[in-house]
Amino acid sequence: QSALTQPRSVSGSPGQPVTLSCTGTSSDVGGYNYVSWYQQLPGKAPKLLIYDVSKRPSGVPGRFSGSKSGNTASLTISGLQAEDEADYYCCSYAGSYTLVFGGGTKLTVL
Amino acid sequence: VQLVQSGAEVKKPGASVKISCKFSGYTFTDYYIHWVQQAPGKGLEWMGLVDPEDGETIYAAKFQGRVTITADTSTDTGYMELSSLRSEDTAVYYCATGIPNTFEYWGQGALVAVSS
Repeated sequence: QSALTQPRSVSGSPGQPVTLSCTGTSSDVGGYNYVSWYQQLPGKAPKLLIYDVSKRPSGVPGRFSGSKSGNTASLTISGLQAEDEADYYCCSYAGSYTLVFGGGTKLTVL
Repeated sequence: VQLVQSGAEVKKPGASVKISCKFSGYTFTDYYIHWVQQAPGKGLEWMGLVDPEDGETIYAAKFQGRVTITADTSTDTGYMELSSLRSEDTAVYYCATGIPNTFEYWGQGALVAVSS
């Protein structure tokens, strides 16, 4: 199972929107509506931001949203804040009860 | 919901390591238990899962044959054992659980260092 493809780094200015991409195949991202996104701060466990492509758990700020088109999923942060600087990982169901992560994107707030 | 993992381990190449993850705050058999590896400076890698209700397991191809994931319903504890350790297995290992196909709750992580 190959890892999903994420850009290694993305940057944006405070207050601006930023979109992180996650590209897979029809066997994972494109085949199921089970994409999730995680934020990881240095030295901490990942935190769930989005699940089932676009659902947001309670407590996650509304500026985080998810979507999917074909084999590519996206996480959009509207109104970037300094505390959003972190590593972001996507994950998709890949069939047969297996899951696959993306390589991660380092988000820098300029 | 809380997942509390065992502490850091230092192992020699060729040895095995077994990490525990104590669950509380929800019904242990409600969700699968997953294990995730993160090597230093690297990304997250899904290792496998166990269904605590019946003990059925699914492993990622990369770890098949070297990893054993179990769940003890008498103590609400999950375990991950990795054998034939090599230097590339040096990593933080996380347990996670929650709604299907999602890692909703995470343990704090357990560092395993493999060194001669």
